[in-house]
Amino acid sequence: EDQVTQSPEALRLQEGESSSLNCSYTVSGLRGLFWYRQDPGKGPEFLFTLYSAGEEKEKERLKATLTKKESFLHITAPKPEDSATYLCAVQVTGGSEKLVFGKGTKLTVNP
Amino acid sequence: DTAVSQTPKYLVTQMGNDKSIKCEQNLGHDTMYWYKQDSKKFLKIMFSYNNKELIINETVPNRFSPKSPDKAHLNLHINSLELGDSAVYFCASSQGGQGSPLHFGNGTRLTVT
Repeated sequence: EDQVTQSPEALRLQEGESSSLNCSYTVSGLRGLFWYRQDPGKGPEFLFTLYSAGEEKEKERLKATLTKKESFLHITAPKPEDSATYLCAVQVTGGSEKLVFGKGTKLTVNP
Repeated sequence: DTAVSQTPKYLVTQMGNDKSIKCEQNLGHDTMYWYKQDSKKFLKIMFSYNNKELIINETVPNRFSPKSPDKAHLNLHINSLELGDSAVYFCASSQGGQGSPLHFGNGTRLTVT
């Protein structure tokens, strides 16, 4: 069964303290790995899609990387407005276009 | 200009009632989805429609019935509501194809008492 595991479940950082979130996956075949940001009371907001091992994408203070078994979301010098839950999801081969989500990492950045 | 909009935002109802949630997208996407987010924040797919045709139907009780009158709308009707149906329901749309991101609405929080 396709599975996505995110760690840690929660992470508290001080403003400016860089860190990484992990997403490990076990799938039959990967079509794409997605990162989303979710704020309280809102729907997930798309950040990145990664397709193959070695690929990297950046957006402001966020950089996502992908290996054959996991993805990392690196947050450089975070600000309080980066506080949110970060969700990882995989799209698998086999015809279906559904995304299988992890449970997310709740990030809190203190000023 | 809301891309994916759901109504209502909150829905409080009693066990046994029937309720509907509406979803509309103005992105011109062909594929729409319903996802359920439980109390542990775990997002799980329920249904997917492509151009009004059902393509994904996960293990969901048949009390849940999606309806797509056109490709811009996907509604969710729930019969005989149970306590365990309490959750946040998200509608989403995508262009379809490999790597197409889903665009989510802001959710409908359903509370069954």
